[in-house]
Amino acid sequence: QVQLVQSGAEVKKPGASVKVSCKASGYTFSHYAMHWVRQAPGQSLEWMGWINAGTGNTEYSQRFQGRVTISRDTSTSTTYMELSNLRSDDTAIYYCTSSIGVSASNYWGQGTLVTVSS
Amino acid sequence: DIQLTQSPSFLSASVGDRVTITCRASQGINNYLGWYQQKPGKAPKLLIDGASSLQSGVPPRFSGSGSGTEFTLTISSLQPEDFAAYYCQQLTTHPYFGGGTTVELK
Repeated sequence: QVQLVQSGAEVKKPGASVKVSCKASGYTFSHYAMHWVRQAPGQSLEWMGWINAGTGNTEYSQRFQGRVTISRDTSTSTTYMELSNLRSDDTAIYYCTSSIGVSASNYWGQGTLVTVSS
Repeated sequence: DIQLTQSPSFLSASVGDRVTITCRASQGINNYLGWYQQKPGKAPKLLIDGASSLQSGVPPRFSGSGSGTEFTLTISSLQPEDFAAYYCQQLTTHPYFGGGTTVELK
């Protein structure tokens, strides 16, 4: 069965960077894109970007352009999302998601809480 | 980029009510729209893909319609487990979400 397992919670200081991982299993990793979505406390879902796991090509939301980098390691079927120059309003749960057999996101990681605090 | 406006933001309803949530796109997106349900502390769950395609295991009281710029999610008879937040998402190259609708018990 398809599973997306994310790395654990992080606490970072303002100005630092965070790198969250998402390990995929149960499907052919290189055949599908992986998206990253975040949700600040009490807020809506916010799409950040995606990576074509086969080619490594990426697309990013303008809101995060220059601060976010999505990468992948096909040897371990793992996708990474790195966000730099963290601010307090980057405190959120970060999800990886994949669309397998459909257009929308039908598989989600369990979420990773990133807390930015001095 | 294509933006989505979702309404209402909050909705108070009773068990058995018919509920409709609307999502408007800033440009035509054909039927490239998905609907999600999210309960507190959980990841979103895909309900509908391609504007109207009900996902496996989702009760048939949920339905989606629309094409182009205007879409709706309808719950024909609200059940206790349906009190949750609902989000639309346009499925283009930059797949942004709508602002969400919280369905709460009246």
